[in-house]
Amino acid sequence: EDKVVQSPLSLVVHEGDTVTLNCSYEVTNFRSLLWYKQEKKAPTFLFMLTSSGIEKKSGRLSSILDKKELFSILNITATQTGDSAIYLCAVGRSFGNEKLTFGTGTRLTIIP
Amino acid sequence: EAQVTQNPRYLITVTGKKLTVTCSQNMNHEYMSWYRQDPGLGLRQIYYSMNVEVTDKGDVPEGYKVSRKEKRNFPLILESPSPNQTSLYFCASSFSGRTYEQYFGPGTRLTVT
Repeated sequence: EDKVVQSPLSLVVHEGDTVTLNCSYEVTNFRSLLWYKQEKKAPTFLFMLTSSGIEKKSGRLSSILDKKELFSILNITATQTGDSAIYLCAVGRSFGNEKLTFGTGTRLTIIP
Repeated sequence: EAQVTQNPRYLITVTGKKLTVTCSQNMNHEYMSWYRQDPGLGLRQIYYSMNVEVTDKGDVPEGYKVSRKEKRNFPLILESPSPNQTSLYFCASSFSGRTYEQYFGPGTRLTVT
């Protein structure tokens, strides 16, 4: 059975800290790994990763994929209170099977 | 404004009473999908549609039906709702070549008593 596991489940840090969120997966016909941010309600897309070792960056957020060890990390540097959210990892499969499987998410809380 | 809309946003109903949650997008997206979100279980895909008249099961399709008669609409039908379908439901859409970059609707909170 396909699995996407995120850790930690919950994380509380102070503003300015750096955090690392983890996502491991076991999925048939892997195509891509995705990160989403969910604040109040609807998730919003952050990154898509398809190749190992290539870091994606957007401001203070960055992510990298290891297809050999089947995991990805999402780093957030110099955290701000606006980073407080649930971060979701999802895995997409090869063309022809467009299911997305999500992990349960990491709830990140930034204390001012 | 580009958006995905869902209606209703909140619904309380009773076991067995058929209901439909509507989803509409104005971005001309080919791909549409329904998810449910439950505490401790995360987002789970119910059904998805690659285009008009093309639908397929996600990970948790039991108890749900969908149809895609028009490109912009993708309603979710619960023929006989049960309490275990109490959940937060999201509709999402994207271009078919970019199914990873999905735009989510605001969510529908459904309670079945």
